[in-house]
Amino acid sequence: QVQLVESGGGVVQPGGSLRLSCAASGFTFSSYGMHWVRQAPGKGLEWVAYIRFDGSNEYYADSVRGRFTISRDNSKNTLYLQMNSLRPEDMAVYYCAKHYGSGSYLVYWGQGTLVTVSS
Amino acid sequence: QTVVTQEPSLTVSPGGTVTLTCASSTGAVTSGYYPNWFQQKPGQAPRALIYSTSNKHSWTPARFSGSLLGGKAALTLSGVQPEDEAEYYCLLYYGGAQPWVFGGGTKLTVL
Repeated sequence: QVQLVESGGGVVQPGGSLRLSCAASGFTFSSYGMHWVRQAPGKGLEWVAYIRFDGSNEYYADSVRGRFTISRDNSKNTLYLQMNSLRPEDMAVYYCAKHYGSGSYLVYWGQGTLVTVSS
Repeated sequence: QTVVTQEPSLTVSPGGTVTLTCASSTGAVTSGYYPNWFQQKPGQAPRALIYSTSNKHSWTPARFSGSLLGGKAALTLSGVQPEDEAEYYCLLYYGGAQPWVFGGGTKLTVL
């Protein structure tokens, strides 16, 4: 079965950096695009970034473009999110999710990893 | 800045029917926005329910249905069960540099 396990969350000071990972199993990782979505405490979902199956294209929310970088290592079945210049408003649970296509997005989700931005 | 709007909260009685909607600040929602719907219960990750307006995943209960209604995407729950109490989010596809936008979510209370 599809399994997505995020890691790398933690406490970081404003202006700092953090790299999140998402280990994928149960499907052919190299055949599917992947997303990052976040949820601030007590708030709704916010789509963050998407990378195509082969890493050829990346897309970002306006709120993170230029600060965050999505990437993947298909040999390791792992998705990444490099987060730089972190702000208090970036504090959230970060989820990775599997894309399917044909109008079907974010089909499977991990359990999330919490990023706290605080001095 | 594209905004996707949902009802902040709705209440329904067990066994009743309720419709949640999803509107776009850019105008009428059409099938080309490929509306997706998600359910999230407290402390859990979201779960996909509906994709491409009206298609159900294999795990989606039959009482959930998706449609387009009056220029909005809609999620209808018929014969609501207590376990349907949750937050529901829609997701629309816009293409471009920021292809996907979530709605603000609807908190559904079953009372």
